[in-house]
Amino acid sequence: DVKVTQSSRYLVKRTGEKVFLECVQDMDHENMFWYRQDPGLGLRLIYFSYDVKMKEKGDIPEGYSVSREKKERFSLILESASTNQTSMYLCASSLTPENIQYFGAGTRLSVL
Amino acid sequence: QQQVKQSPQSLIVQKGGISIINCAYENTAFDYFPWYQQFPGKGPALLIAIRPDVSEKKEGRFTISFNKSAKQFSLHIMDSQPGDSATYFCAASFGNTGKLIFGQGTTLQVKP
Repeated sequence: DVKVTQSSRYLVKRTGEKVFLECVQDMDHENMFWYRQDPGLGLRLIYFSYDVKMKEKGDIPEGYSVSREKKERFSLILESASTNQTSMYLCASSLTPENIQYFGAGTRLSVL
Repeated sequence: QQQVKQSPQSLIVQKGGISIINCAYENTAFDYFPWYQQFPGKGPALLIAIRPDVSEKKEGRFTISFNKSAKQFSLHIMDSQPGDSATYFCAASFGNTGKLIFGQGTTLQVKP
C-alpha cells in the first residue's frame, strides 16, 4: 500500500526559529514535492526533487529550503520561521514526473 | 498564464443531486488535467484525470468534461452522496515536468 508519512501532524513554533518538516515515502518513488495549502489559494508548490541531492524551485520557494540526502526522505526547512508561514504543509511523491502524486496527511504549522 | 481558476469556492447539494465544479486555464501547453479529492485530516488523493485528446471521461459517478477550445474542464458528480462531502481540487500540468498547478479548491457538502 502506498504510504507517504509526514513526521508531525501539528507544530507550533516561534518567530525566528529554524523549522524542519520531514517526509518519508516507502514506495521507492523518484520524485518528491512540498506544497503549502491555504484557504482560497489551493495548493502551491514550494520545492520538488527528481532525484537524491537534486532540487528545483517551485512557485513559492522564498523563505524555504529543502534537503534530499536519501531517496525516501525529503525535508522542508524554514530557516527563520515567520508568521506568514503559518499554513498546512503537504508532501507528495510520484514514481515518474508524469505519474500520480501521492500525498501525506499534512503538517499544520503555526508560527507565533 | 500558469493559473488554474476554480469555481465555486463552496457548494451545497442535496443527496442524489448533481454536483458540478468548474475550472478554467490559460496555458494551452497543459496536457494533463487531474482532479484530487481531500477529506478532512487527510491529504489529497487522485480522483480522476483526463488528457485533452478526449472530451469526456467517466469513472462510476464521476465524470470530467473537457472543452479544449474554451480552455475549461469540469467535474460532475452524479447521484451525490454525503460520503462525497470533501474538498475538490482541479489541477493541470504539461510535459513531463511533474509540476501540478492547482485550482483554489471547492468545498462540497452533500446534505442527507
